[in-house]
Amino acid sequence: GQNIDQPTEMTATEGAIVQINCTYQTSGFNGLFWYQQHAGEAPTFLSYNVLDGLEEKGRFSSFLSRSKGYSYLLLKELQMKDSASYLCAVRDRNDYKLSFGAGTTVTVRA
Amino acid sequence: GAVVSQHPSRVICKSGTSVKIECRSLDFQATTMFWYRQFPKQSLMLMATSNEGSKATYEQGVEKDKFLINHASLTLSTLTVTSAHPEDSSFYICSPLASSQGEHYGYTFGSGTRLTVV
Repeated sequence: GQNIDQPTEMTATEGAIVQINCTYQTSGFNGLFWYQQHAGEAPTFLSYNVLDGLEEKGRFSSFLSRSKGYSYLLLKELQMKDSASYLCAVRDRNDYKLSFGAGTTVTVRA
Repeated sequence: GAVVSQHPSRVICKSGTSVKIECRSLDFQATTMFWYRQFPKQSLMLMATSNEGSKATYEQGVEKDKFLINHASLTLSTLTVTSAHPEDSSFYICSPLASSQGEHYGYTFGSGTRLTVV
C-alpha cells in the first residue's frame, strides 16, 4: 500500500513562490503525479515524475527523490487563479492504481 | 486527446432510490476504469477498478452490492449507487485508463458527479 503525506494548507502572496512537499512510502513505486483541483471540479494533471530530478513546465515544477520518498511541487509567480487544492498521487507498480494524498489547499492573497 | 464525458454532473435523489452515473471515453478506448469518491475537503479515495468485460475489483470497505459497476465496452462504464442513503452523498469521479496511454500524460478524469441523497 501507499502512505502519502502533504501539508493541509498553505497561504502565499500573489507573485510569490510556494513549494508543496509530499512524502510517500510505497511497496512498489511507478511514478508520482501532481494534480490541481478547484472546488467542485475534477482534478487536472500538472506533472509526472518517475526518475529523480526536476521537471519544469512553465510556472510549475516538480521534483522527485525516490531514495528519500520525497517530491515537491513548486509554483512560481503565483496568480489568484492558482488558489486550489494540490494533490500528490503515487502510482503502484503492479496494478497502475493511483493513491492520493489528502491534498494541500493553497490560498493566494493579493 | 483523452476526452472523458461523465454524466450527470449533479443529481439529487431520495433516500432508497438508485442512481446511475455514466462515464464515456470519447476519443480512446479504456481497458481499465477507476472509480473514485471524494467527500468534502478530503482526497480522492479509490472505490473500485474495472476492466472491460470482467467483474470489478472493489477496495476494502466498499460494498460491491451497493455500488454496481458495469464496464461492458471499451468506451462506456457505469456506476450505479443502489438504495442510496444520505451518507452516500459525495463527489464521484471516473478515471479511464487507455491500454496505450502514454505515461507522461497522466490519468484522465471525468468531470465528476455531485450526488446528494435527501
